[in-house]
Amino acid sequence: AQSVTQLDSQVPVFEEAPVELRCNYSSSVSVYLFWYVQYPNQGLQLLLKYLSGSTLVKGINGFEAEFNKSQTSFHLRKPSVHISDTAEYFCAVSPMNRDDKIIFGKGTRLHILP
Amino acid sequence: NAGVTQTPKFRVLKTGQSMTLLCAQDMNHEYMYWYRQDPGMGLRLIHYSVGEGTTAKGEVPDGYNVSRLKKQNFLLGLESAAPSQTSVYFCASSYRTGAYTGELFFGEGSRLTVL
Repeated sequence: AQSVTQLDSQVPVFEEAPVELRCNYSSSVSVYLFWYVQYPNQGLQLLLKYLSGSTLVKGINGFEAEFNKSQTSFHLRKPSVHISDTAEYFCAVSPMNRDDKIIFGKGTRLHILP
Repeated sequence: NAGVTQTPKFRVLKTGQSMTLLCAQDMNHEYMYWYRQDPGMGLRLIHYSVGEGTTAKGEVPDGYNVSRLKKQNFLLGLESAAPSQTSVYFCASSYRTGAYTGELFFGEGSRLTVL
């Protein structure tokens, strides 16, 4: 079975400052890793994904994430946030064996302060 | 590019009423899912389907039924709505074979209020 922990439910950050949203997971099988973003009153859309290869993954809107297998983490980062990044961010894991379910973290709400 | 379409987008029900949410996808995906989203709870899986004619229970299936008579459609039914079912419901779909990665494609959500 899998589990996903997003360590912060809310993260306030000043505009143009860097941000890191943390995600840790546990799994007995190999997994694919995802970050989704949900803007206010919208559905979720894919921000970035790690399938294999380079552990540093770049996504849309200047976000990137680093897969750390030893620490079972997949933290999301952006060097300089913009007011338009205000949203909720979800980390998710998908088992490669397709038999187990996709699991989501509880989400981190990013508040951009002017 | 329609992707995943949910109808209706908003609905208000009285306790005990029934209703059906419709999800349609035009990407020929095998897998389809229904999630509910509540504040502080993240996304919780209600039911899912791995193919036409098959359904399975997720994390919070009680009070809901589903059907997948056609590959492109996945229906979520509430037989007797309760206030605890007030939520935002999301449908999602994904590939199973070939390009499978578990990446989900989401609809825009259906906001249901039960009075």
